[in-house]
Amino acid sequence: QSVLTQPPSASGTPGQRVTISCSGSSSNIGNHNVNWYQHVPGPAPRVLIYRNNQRPSGVPDRFSGSKSGTSASLAISGLQSEDEADYYCAAWDASLNAWVFGGGTKVTVL
Amino acid sequence: QVHLVESGGGVVQPGRSLRLSCAASGFTFSDYGMHWVRQAPGKGLEWVANIRSHESRKYYADSVEGRFSISRDNSKNTVYLQMNSLSADDTAVYYCAGELYTNGWYVGYFDLWGRGTLVTVSS
Repeated sequence: QSVLTQPPSASGTPGQRVTISCSGSSSNIGNHNVNWYQHVPGPAPRVLIYRNNQRPSGVPDRFSGSKSGTSASLAISGLQSEDEADYYCAAWDASLNAWVFGGGTKVTVL
Repeated sequence: QVHLVESGGGVVQPGRSLRLSCAASGFTFSDYGMHWVRQAPGKGLEWVANIRSHESRKYYADSVEGRFSISRDNSKNTVYLQMNSLSADDTAVYYCAGELYTNGWYVGYFDLWGRGTLVTVSS
């Protein structure tokens, strides 16, 4: 059971908007930044969003992040086939003194 | 080009030990705190351990505290994970990841990742 809760799957057709939620608590998301990682099986994972809503250079602006209270979300607009991957939210947990991840959401492009 | 390359994985019997290595290239290794993150089959990512860039402070997940030890050799641009008393629950792909230290702060996210090395604990 992951400390951060994500839906196991999400899907959409090309061009649609998909949103992934991540729910935590005051010891993690509520008081710390949220990062999102994309993992296509095979290649290395990569950071997609950091500090709740910041995009590293090279990440398309189709990807956006937000946070409110103890929840965060990742939105993918204009869904493309190459967006098929597993997406993980992560945050520092001050009670556990550990980085915690969500269970991951598998995005499928129909 | 920036690279993190893990090695040392394999099949090991329960109760035995294994040491993983992660070789870094293409960036200033000593500017990064280093982490190990694992993914068990069919499961999500789990943070395992962290070693700071200069202070050598170390942090561990409860699930590995007392059994695993992280270390680094900045002269060899390498971070290690010594894993003792292994059990089937430790079966996973182990990734090393880097977190930049800049302007007196760690950036708070893992911006460098390797492709992982598979550890299978089985008799």
